[in-house]
Amino acid sequence: KQEVTQIPAALSVPEGENLVLNCSFTDSAIYNLQWFRQDPGKGLTSLLLIQSSQREQTSGRLNASLDKSSGRSTLYIAASQPGDSATYLCAVRIQGAQKLVFGQGTRLTINP
Amino acid sequence: NAGVTQTPKFQVLKTGQSMTLQCAQDMNHNSMYWYRQDPGMGLRLIYYSASEGTTDKGEVPNGYNVSRLNKREFSLRLESAAPSQTSVYFCASSKGLAGGTDTQYFGPGTRLTVL
Repeated sequence: KQEVTQIPAALSVPEGENLVLNCSFTDSAIYNLQWFRQDPGKGLTSLLLIQSSQREQTSGRLNASLDKSSGRSTLYIAASQPGDSATYLCAVRIQGAQKLVFGQGTRLTINP
Repeated sequence: NAGVTQTPKFQVLKTGQSMTLQCAQDMNHNSMYWYRQDPGMGLRLIYYSASEGTTDKGEVPNGYNVSRLNKREFSLRLESAAPSQTSVYFCASSKGLAGGTDTQYFGPGTRLTVL
């Protein structure tokens, strides 16, 4: 059974710092891995999708990497801003299935 | 382009009552999904519809039914609500591509409390 783990559960850093969020998964048979952002009381917004054949994806100040063989992904946020404060979720799409399996998220706080 | 819309935004039910959560997407997506989000449990798939006319169970289908009314709409029904169904419910949709490029887009959620 695929399990997705995100550590730490919460992270608080001062504005301007570069930071890394971690995601690990137990089964490497995945189609893709997706990073989402969730603001309090809101739905999920897709940030980046990495296909299983890719090593990384970039969007603005965000860079996501994927190491399928070791079951790890990282989300790098450069020059963090208070507006980046949110919960970040990673999810893997299992091969041969439509569903996503989610981690429990990292709650990120950027302090001005 | 509204994306994925859900109604209602909030609902309070008494144990044993029934209700239907509505979801619609305007992106011409083939696949639609219902998730629930609970503290400490993350998001879990309840049901999904890979294409119009098909529905399949996810991880936690007990106590729910779904209807793919047409390509745009996918509803979730609670026949006899229980306190364990207190949760935030999210609908999502995707193109339904077979390979690895399929991104899921989420609605704003329905916050349901069962007393």
